[in-house]
Amino acid sequence: KNEVEQSPQNLTAQEGEFITINCSYSVGISALHWLQQHPGGGIVSLFMLSSGKKKHGRLIATINIQEKHSSLHITASHPRDSAVYICAVLLSSNYKLTFGKGTLLTVNP
Amino acid sequence: DAMVIQNPRYQVTQFGKPVTLSCSQTLNHNVMYWYQQKSSQAPKLLFHYYDKDFNNEADTPDNFQSRRPNTSFCFLDIRSPGLGDAAMYLCATSNGLAGARYEQYFGPGTRLTVT
Repeated sequence: KNEVEQSPQNLTAQEGEFITINCSYSVGISALHWLQQHPGGGIVSLFMLSSGKKKHGRLIATINIQEKHSSLHITASHPRDSAVYICAVLLSSNYKLTFGKGTLLTVNP
Repeated sequence: DAMVIQNPRYQVTQFGKPVTLSCSQTLNHNVMYWYQQKSSQAPKLLFHYYDKDFNNEADTPDNFQSRRPNTSFCFLDIRSPGLGDAAMYLCATSNGLAGARYEQYFGPGTRLTVT
């Protein structure tokens, strides 16, 4: 079983829809990252969370440490949001990032 | 803007011909990481530097080496690239190794093709 599970694996939405991507983990962590990667591109860090909620523009990330669960929300989705969204956790035991398999989001105009 | 820069963005090399990928940072972070990401896979950590201290992951092939001549620059050397080494190579930096304060900042990556 992967230590970091994301759902869904693939998500197709219409422009303007509200998007939610979920991440569950089974290990002790010190922080959780949400990352964005466009096809063939590098990685952009969207958020790092260790508790609560963060908001940046149309993006909102939440984390529940007790339930070992995080969500990434995109409001008023746009075709330029189409990308792979990756959840990665920083293990409490060491410095390493453990990555989820990613969620491929496609937003159609 | 402070950032992580990788050059070149695209690199083509021949089978067996040594290649060097470059990463530089203006963040003055003391940790620099190199990741390998193959198609449709998660990034895999190859090694990292904490200041001048080099830390190799146990399963990183000997074919991969790294140099960090100063705080700002870190190089990935592939001594004899094989077809299986074709991948996106990502550089990242952080201001420390562990703890919730130390976010990793990623560069745009170098896509390596081996012919």
